[in-house]
Amino acid sequence: EAGVAQSPRYKIIEKRQSVAFWCNPISGHATLYWYQQILGQGPKLLIQFQNNGVVDDSQLPKDRFSAERLKGVDSTLKIQPAKLEDSAVYLCASGGGKNIQYFGAGTRLSVL
Amino acid sequence: AQSVSQHNHHVILSEAASLELGCNYSYGGTVNLFWYVQYPGQHLQLLLKYFSGDPLVKGIKGFEAEFIKSKFSFNLRKPSVQWSDTAEYFCAVNYYGFQKLVFGTGTRLLVSP
Repeated sequence: EAGVAQSPRYKIIEKRQSVAFWCNPISGHATLYWYQQILGQGPKLLIQFQNNGVVDDSQLPKDRFSAERLKGVDSTLKIQPAKLEDSAVYLCASGGGKNIQYFGAGTRLSVL
Repeated sequence: AQSVSQHNHHVILSEAASLELGCNYSYGGTVNLFWYVQYPGQHLQLLLKYFSGDPLVKGIKGFEAEFIKSKFSFNLRKPSVQWSDTAEYFCAVNYYGFQKLVFGTGTRLLVSP
């Protein structure tokens, strides 16, 4: 079975620029998650979707981060404008049940 | 607040040594517990999980973990590590009523041949 696909793998931008990340979950998985993993820390949930509805976005910095999951399949996470502290790996995960999450390879963002 | 603590940030072992990585969580209610592993250059993969039943769970590649409810712990063990076990290990908890995972800060394991 195909895994969670993410793109791009790497992105370098300057502060105040905008950036977008894309995720395609495992086919049939209703739940999709975006995590932020800062160097030296564990992943932290940014937003959780159930189909195309938001379940939890309590830790999403909504002044600069946005995410959507149109049609309940793939998802896009956007940062606008980026700050230096946004440098991190952005992980997408999907879940089909039993609370097990499957992770993509992530997008490594460097903000200069 | 929900939190997960991993006490060992870096561990260096020789091949064939035994491994135990600590994990403690902060909540006293019903939890699901996970260990994920990230090999160099690869994505996070599920190593093992505990939902209910026998508190000693076995995962892939000879790993096991024991859930001790009274200590809020879920330590990972392997009797004899291999060089290929070099990776970062994350403990994660899913608290009842929430689907999100709360992760620890991770433990980097280096196994020298």
